[in-house]
Amino acid sequence: ETGVTQSPTHLIKTRGQQVTLRCSSQSGHNTVSWYQQALGQGPQFIFQYYREEENGRGNFPPRFSGLQFPNYSSELNVNALELDDSALYLCASSRLTDTQYFGPGTRLTVL
Amino acid sequence: GENVEQHPSTLSVQEGDSAVIKCTYSDSASNYFPWYKQELGKRPQLIIDIRSNVGEKKDQRIAVTLNKTAKHFSLHITETQPEDSAVYFCAAKTPNTGNQFYFGTGTSLTVIP
Repeated sequence: ETGVTQSPTHLIKTRGQQVTLRCSSQSGHNTVSWYQQALGQGPQFIFQYYREEENGRGNFPPRFSGLQFPNYSSELNVNALELDDSALYLCASSRLTDTQYFGPGTRLTVL
Repeated sequence: GENVEQHPSTLSVQEGDSAVIKCTYSDSASNYFPWYKQELGKRPQLIIDIRSNVGEKKDQRIAVTLNKTAKHFSLHITETQPEDSAVYFCAAKTPNTGNQFYFGTGTSLTVIP
């Protein structure tokens, strides 16, 4: 198992609400990437943070935002939740150009 | 951006047989190609990877081959076992867009005892 952890494990929200997901990166890693994985699909890149700065963004609207802290842990924030936001949210930590190691994910259900 | 296609979407093999999963990519600048195994309800786990300066890499029963000219790479699992049953994802990393990874849509492998 990797040293990447995520919280919470599961979350249920209603449409229009806001949610914050958290990720602690593996020791020695300075990069965190966030992915959305819908059921039966591959992970879709949301964005990446490197040394507290956004370092690339996928095709997701601005209501998906993030932060990285000095200890390289990270948060994913989603505003104005929609039903289609229901998915498994994975974070992956790495050194910038190295292999990514995934956390266990947060299962978000939007009702 | 990069586009990764993965085939087949499902694959059933008898225990002991070989399994092959193929992926193609579109961006010739992509330079790193990992394969992940995801069991139901669990995180994707890296099983093998290959960089663009290598044509083949092997780790026990698992091997990956890369053809840069044709822009495709394949995962080969020999002597399959029931515990190999899982969803396998290929991915490609391109340095052009913040080192982001692009994933295929996954292959559900079932190994029949």
